[in-house]
Order: sequence, then C-alpha cells, then structure tokens
Amino acid sequence: EIVLTQSPGTLSLSPGESATLSCRASQSVTSNYLGWYQQKPGQAPRLLIYGASSRATGIPDRFSGSGSGTDFTLTISRLEPEDFAVYYCQQFPPYIFGQGTKLEIK
Amino acid sequence: EVQLVESGGGLVQPGGSLRLSCAASQFTFSGHWMSWVRQAPGKGLELVAHINPHGGEQSYADSVKGRFTISRDNAKNSLYLQMNSLRAEDTAVYYCARDPYTKVFENWGQGTLVTVSS
Repeated sequence: EIVLTQSPGTLSLSPGESATLSCRASQSVTSNYLGWYQQKPGQAPRLLIYGASSRATGIPDRFSGSGSGTDFTLTISRLEPEDFAVYYCQQFPPYIFGQGTKLEIK
Repeated sequence: EVQLVESGGGLVQPGGSLRLSCAASQFTFSGHWMSWVRQAPGKGLELVAHINPHGGEQSYADSVKGRFTISRDNAKNSLYLQMNSLRAEDTAVYYCARDPYTKVFENWGQGTLVTVSS
C-alpha cells in the first residue's frame, strides 16, 4: 500500500517569507501524477498543482511544485496572509492523500 | 464555471442508510471520472469511491467496500453515493469532485455533512 508522508506537520512562518513543504511517497509515483491542494477552514480543498509541477488555472506564480519519483516539494514564495492554510499532496494510482501540513502565521 | 452541488447529508443512526447526490453543470459530465472524497471532523482527506465516465467501472476505499455504492446518471448530470450500514466512523463532510484526466481533483463541491449518531 502506497503511503504519502508530508512534512513538517506544522510550519510557522511570517508573511513575506518562503515556505517549503515536502511530500514523500513510499513507492515511485507513476507518471508524476502528483497534486497539491490548499484548504482553508470551512472550505473545500482547492487544487494548486497537478502533474507535480503544473499550476492549476488561476493559481499565482508564487506557488510552485517540483520533484519526481518519491520526493516532491511545494514552494510558496513571498507568503501572503491568505496563504496560511492546510496543504495536502495527493497521488495516483490509487488516489491517496498525504496527512497534510498546516502553515500557520508565526 | 464548473459547478458541483452536493445534497442528501444529515443525521442518521448507526446501521442506517443515506443517499448523497451531486448535481454537475457547466462541463461535459459524461466525459469525466467522478469521485466522492470525505473528511472526518478535524482530519484529512480520504477518497471514498470513484467511477469512470460511463459508469461501468468503480473503485472503493477498503473502509467502505461492500457498504457504499457509487453510481451516476449521465442523462441527469448527476453523481450518487448510496451509503448503507453506516457507522460512527463514517461521520464526515462528503465532497463530490471531478478529475479532468490529470488524476487530480480540479473541481470540488461545497460538501455535505453526514453525521452517524444515536
């Protein structure tokens, strides 16, 4: 069974700083079918990145994804107040989510 | 703009049943894989079930296999989740989500809350 492990569990940063979120898969991810989502309290998740590095429609370019195989990274540069949320990675096949990283204001 | 609107959630006793619906619009529903994803209170995301565009292929999380059934009616642009033998651990917000061939969930509904409790 494939497991996605996200780190850190919580990341405390200030607006204007950069955030680096990690997602590690227990097996190689097929065809880089790896996505990243942002979720704010009381809201549905929002797709940020697909194919490991492609930004979804309307996503600002301060969000970038990278990686391949088993190690993937979401980088958020120049943090804005609205970026503080929980972030999930997800792979296929099968559809599996990581446990999430909470990005909080320091 | 793609719209997904879930309905059918509510309070149900353990062992009971519930049917969730998702009304889709503003895209070619019959051309897309569709899924139900749930989120228990304070927890992460879990894929519950997904179904291919024509409805002939379904897959389920082990935690719901044999109890839940995903289906779709392409003529009505609607996705369904029949949930039987509900347990307390099925309590969650259930989201309908669309996979635009990239194996991620590009669009989500607002979610519908299912609470299983006596």
